Formats: sequence, structure tokens, C-alpha cells
Amino acid sequence: GAGVSQSPRYKVAKRGQDVALRCDPISGHVSLFWYQQALGQGPEFLTYFQNEAQLDKSGLPSDRFFAERPEGSVSTLKIQRTQQEDSAVYLCASSPTGINYGYTFGSGTRLTVV
Amino acid sequence: AQTVTQSQPEMSVQEAETVTLSCTYDTSESNYYLFWYKQPPSRQMILVIRQEAYKQQNATENRFSVNFQKAAKSFSLKISDSQLGDTAMYFCAFNMGSNYQLIWGAGTKLIIKP
Repeated sequence: GAGVSQSPRYKVAKRGQDVALRCDPISGHVSLFWYQQALGQGPEFLTYFQNEAQLDKSGLPSDRFFAERPEGSVSTLKIQRTQQEDSAVYLCASSPTGINYGYTFGSGTRLTVV
Repeated sequence: AQTVTQSQPEMSVQEAETVTLSCTYDTSESNYYLFWYKQPPSRQMILVIRQEAYKQQNATENRFSVNFQKAAKSFSLKISDSQLGDTAMYFCAFNMGSNYQLIWGAGTKLIIKP
């Protein structure tokens, strides 16, 4: 596609519910990143994929967070047993290469846990 | 640890004026990249300008330019002839040449008044 597409745009989840956030990167982009942006703050790195390989998941805040990119294209970020502190905007970005050239971001998913 | 600091939480200027947003960073690396991103209410992060640390010449993109002071670890963004569409959150970000993670500042909310 022309840009990075994320869905849903908004998600309200009850505490304890599982959620799945989708990212459809630009076609052919090798690298895919997930960032978490709390209200009024800058984004924080969650995880990085190069094609289907998850090369870095050091930013995932707990084992309730899980990301996958099984065919090296679409990625899903799953959060199990959501907590209120998970409320944030989740941004996905893709890049034709791994580093340094700037990334194309999607419009994010705003997750609110009630 | 690498950090990025934006000391101005909010700025407001009249349309057509020039405005400068400040950013300082801390790193012991010599090879790195600096970015300014714009985040309008649509939430999509849009790359405004990029600077390689090994380049002495300041980057420019139309009305946007940077003042990169490597010794002072300062990377300010100047917006000339500001327009209403420039109203947004502006984030300064950094990554090392050997890494793909972006380290972000907390952002500056820029309001352009008619």
C-alpha cells in the first residue's frame, strides 16, 4: 500500500481482556517496528522485525505482550490480560532497511483499558 | 544511556513568524543520526528533517532547518514563515549508527496562531 496502515484506530478494552493490534507496512519494507506512546510523552521502543524474524523484543514491558510477523509482511501486536497501564497509542513503523533513514509511521491504535 | 531532552513543553507564535524548537541529547557515540518528527492530531509521525552526525553542514528542507552543534550536543529546529498547518507536536529523536532504535524526547507542542 501507499502507507503504513494500522487497525483498529481506536480500541476500548475491559481490564483483563485480550487485544490484537494490526499493522500493515509498506509493501516490500523489510523492517518493522512497534512503539508505545503514553499520553503526553514520546514513543518508546517495543520490538523490531526484519522480515519475519523478531530480532529485538527488549522493549516489551511484560510477558503479556507478544508480537509476530509470520510472513514478513503484516504484523500483529497482542496484549493479554490488559491492564490500565497498557492504555497508550501503539505506533507501527516500517523501513526499507534497518536503520538510520527515518521510518514511515502509521497513525497508530489508541488503546484505552477501562 | 542515551537520552533526548526537549525543554519547551509548549510554544506559540503568530503565523509567518520564525520559531526555534530546542533539543539536546546525551551520548558517548560518535556516529549517530538525529531526526525531527511532526505529530499532528491525526497521530501519524511525519519525518520533518534528518541529520547525520558526521556531516558538519546543517540539514535544510524548504522552510525547515536545523542548527546542529555536535560539541554542545544540541539539535534545534528552525521553522521559517510558519503556517497554520505547522501546528502539531514536534519530537526530536536520535539513534546510533549501529542501532535501529529511536530514542525520543518528550515533545514540544507548537501552536501557530492566525
